[in-house]
Amino acid sequence: QKEVEQDPGPLSVPEGAIVSLNCTYSNSAFQYFMWYRQYSRKGPELLMYTYSSGNKEDGRFTAQVDKSSKYISLFIRDSQPSDSATYLCATSGTYKYIFGTGTRLKVLA
Amino acid sequence: EAGVAQSPRYKIIEKRQSVAFWCNPISGHATLYWYQQILGQGPKLLIQFQNNGVVDDSQLPKDRFSAERLKGVDSTLKIQPAKLEDSAVYLCASSLLILTAGDEQYFGPGTRLTVT
Repeated sequence: QKEVEQDPGPLSVPEGAIVSLNCTYSNSAFQYFMWYRQYSRKGPELLMYTYSSGNKEDGRFTAQVDKSSKYISLFIRDSQPSDSATYLCATSGTYKYIFGTGTRLKVLA
Repeated sequence: EAGVAQSPRYKIIEKRQSVAFWCNPISGHATLYWYQQILGQGPKLLIQFQNNGVVDDSQLPKDRFSAERLKGVDSTLKIQPAKLEDSAVYLCASSLLILTAGDEQYFGPGTRLTVT
């Protein structure tokens, strides 16, 4: 079993839709949860950072962590074509990050 | 604030040749990481430096890969000799603190290596 599992997609949605991206993880010691956005031929860009359980909101983005089920989510409201990218989840219990494979998202105009 | 710089952005070499990548982290960041990202996969940590010392190189193929961070600032990753399966994007990242759980990592644009 991989430490972090993420559906690779691709996921296609119409502009304005609410997008839900998800990851599961196996190690209950993980305390830090990150979402990165990676545009084609670019490096990952830190989007959201959450410690432990709960929700965090930043503009159109909401990160949610459920430690009881080892499940993390990223919601994008009012999705835009500019949101088309690969979204990587990452977790950490120590100084080391474990990344998911990324979900490719395409928002259609 | 300037981000993480990497060069070159693209490199094409033949198998068995050698190649080197350079990274300059964000100013003041103590920790530097090199990741390998194969197409369709998430980044895989190759090596992590704290200042100029190695913290973790457990996934670095040491028979062909080497890395150094001599003055605790910029770093070089070398592959010698390259194999076809080394074709990937090599990402450099840095973080401010030393061995701190959850410290935010910032990535450079990456070097896309194609081995033919």
